[in-house]
Amino acid sequence: AQSVAQPEDQVNVAEGNPLTVKCTYSVSGNPYLFWYVQYPNRGLQFLLKYITGDNLVKGSYGFEAEFNKSQTSFHLKKPSALVSDSALYFCAVGVSGTYKYIFGTGTRLKVLA
Amino acid sequence: NAGVTQTPKFRILKIGQSMTLQCTQDMNHNYMYWYRQDPGMGLKLIYYSVGAGITDKGEVPNGYNVSRSTTEDFPLRLELAAPSQTSVYFCASSYTLGWEPVLSSYEQYFGPGTRLTVT
Repeated sequence: AQSVAQPEDQVNVAEGNPLTVKCTYSVSGNPYLFWYVQYPNRGLQFLLKYITGDNLVKGSYGFEAEFNKSQTSFHLKKPSALVSDSALYFCAVGVSGTYKYIFGTGTRLKVLA
Repeated sequence: NAGVTQTPKFRILKIGQSMTLQCTQDMNHNYMYWYRQDPGMGLKLIYYSVGAGITDKGEVPNGYNVSRSTTEDFPLRLELAAPSQTSVYFCASSYTLGWEPVLSSYEQYFGPGTRLTVT
């Protein structure tokens, strides 16, 4: 079965420090992976995606993610965190051959000033 | 360009009542989706549509119905509200080319959500 896991409910990081939000997946076939961010009382906003090509994907607001096929991971990273990055982050996997996405349970990122 | 709009923003229903959640997108996207978001549970797909006149069930369709008569609109109907339907509902859309949709799909655009409470 296709699935995606975000092992951390919350990640705390000091402003200016690098941040990592973890995501692992399980799919049959090629994985199509996405990161979304949700600010309070808002809908989800797309950050970046991996479909094929370079393992390092760059996205909006200075975020990037590294696709690691051997570890079945797609961790979200940013070199220097901002307080305004504090939000709920969702990893999602596209299910090959369907129109569906499966979302992880989300990781709350808190960037401390 | 308003993107994806949803109405209402908030609603309180009594058990057994019915209501329709409205969703409209002005981006000419062919795919549309309805999700519910429960605390700590991520998003669950309720229904989706790949174009006008075509809809299909997602993971949690029981208690809901949809229709897609136009490209722009994708309303979600709750016929007999139950407390288990208390949730935040999100509509989303995307534009996809080709018969391999996930490979060629663009990202999903989400509406601001409808917070529904059933008591």
